Amino acid sequence: QSVLTQPPSVSGAPGQRVTISCTGSSSNIGAGYDVHWYQQVPGTPPKLVIYAKNNRPSGVPDRFSGSKSGTSASLAITGLQAEDEADYYCQSYDSGLSGLWVFGGGTKLTVL
Amino acid sequence: EVQLVQSGGGLVKPGESLRLSCAASGFTFTSYTMNWVRQAPGKGLQWVSSISINSVYIDYTASVKGRFTISRDNAKNSLYLQMNSLRVDDTAVYYCVRASSERGWFDPWGQGTRVTVSS
Repeated sequence: QSVLTQPPSVSGAPGQRVTISCTGSSSNIGAGYDVHWYQQVPGTPPKLVIYAKNNRPSGVPDRFSGSKSGTSASLAITGLQAEDEADYYCQSYDSGLSGLWVFGGGTKLTVL
Repeated sequence: EVQLVQSGGGLVKPGESLRLSCAASGFTFTSYTMNWVRQAPGKGLQWVSSISINSVYIDYTASVKGRFTISRDNAKNSLYLQMNSLRVDDTAVYYCVRASSERGWFDPWGQGTRVTVSS
């Protein structure tokens, strides 16, 4: 069981907007630690897509955005494209007993 | 180009040992905390271990404490993970990752190395 909770799957048609939620607790997201998001295509390493609130690494399209409120965070993807189909993981720092860094269980995004 | 190239891994029996290596290039290795993250087959990501710039601060996830040892050689720009008393549930792809800061994001990631523990 992951410390951060994500929905197992989401889906959307090309061009639509989807959001992926990430729920934590007072020892991680609620403690004010940043939430980061990774995209993983099966068989490849995860790739950072959003870091520290709502920043995109070079090369990540502005269709990707992040937000945070209280003990939760969200990743939004607008103008959905077939290439966005992948697993997405949220990550934060934890000051409790769970370990230094914690991840969500991952969300499979399917582009219909 | 910032790069992490991993080596090691393979198939071992329960109770055996394995050492993973990670060679860093394209950035100042001595300026970053380094980590290992693993992913069991069909499962999500799990942080395994962290080592600070000068190896003073080291931490592990509970399930590997006392069995795994993280280390780094700053002169060789290399990170290591010595894994002893391996268990079936240690089977995973292991990634070497750079942390942006003490509590920051992970980027880049190594290509991953597969560790299979099976009798």
